[in-house]
Amino acid sequence: RKEVEQDPGPFNVPEGATVAFNCTYSNSASQSFFWYRQDCRKEPKLLMSVYSSGNEDGRFTAQLNRASQYISLLIRDSKLSDSATYLCVFLDSNYQLIWGAGTKLIIKP
Amino acid sequence: GAGVSQSPSNKVTEKGKDVELRCDPISGHTALYWYRQSLGQGLEFLIYFQGNSAPDKSGLPSDRFSAERTGGSVSTLTIQRTQQEDSAVYLCASSLWGQGGEKLFFGSGTQLSVL
Repeated sequence: RKEVEQDPGPFNVPEGATVAFNCTYSNSASQSFFWYRQDCRKEPKLLMSVYSSGNEDGRFTAQLNRASQYISLLIRDSKLSDSATYLCVFLDSNYQLIWGAGTKLIIKP
Repeated sequence: GAGVSQSPSNKVTEKGKDVELRCDPISGHTALYWYRQSLGQGLEFLIYFQGNSAPDKSGLPSDRFSAERTGGSVSTLTIQRTQQEDSAVYLCASSLWGQGGEKLFFGSGTQLSVL
């Protein structure tokens, strides 16, 4: 099993819809989790950290399910500008960041 | 307020040549990371520098790859005798303390093409 797995997509979603995707990880000792956003041919940028209790930032909600070993990202009222690849990242027990290959999201007008 | 700067932005080279990629991290950031990203793939860790500590070289794919960080600031990634499979985007990132749980700031990358 890969250390981290994401559905590569693409997720084609109409503007204004709600979309959610998950990221599973295999290392139960993982300590910290993040979602980064990467636009086409651009560098990744931190979208949000994922806290144990779940956290929300505007239209974005991140959740952690330790029992099932996955994190999720939910985007409400999606905008055209949300089109990007979303990378999940976790910090393993050796304090190394492990990156998923990303989920591609396309918001259509 | 300059961010992480990488140069060159694009590099085309012939198989067997050596290349040097440069990274200027954000001033004051003690941690510096090099990653490689192939098209449609996630980030592959290469090497990590933190302050004056010995670098974590565990991600370097072969002995053709090396990196140094001079004066705790600028870093150079060197690839000797390049191969076609080295073609990728090489991303540099820096963070304030390198404690793993903090935000990474990425440069815009160097697109390396080995012909």
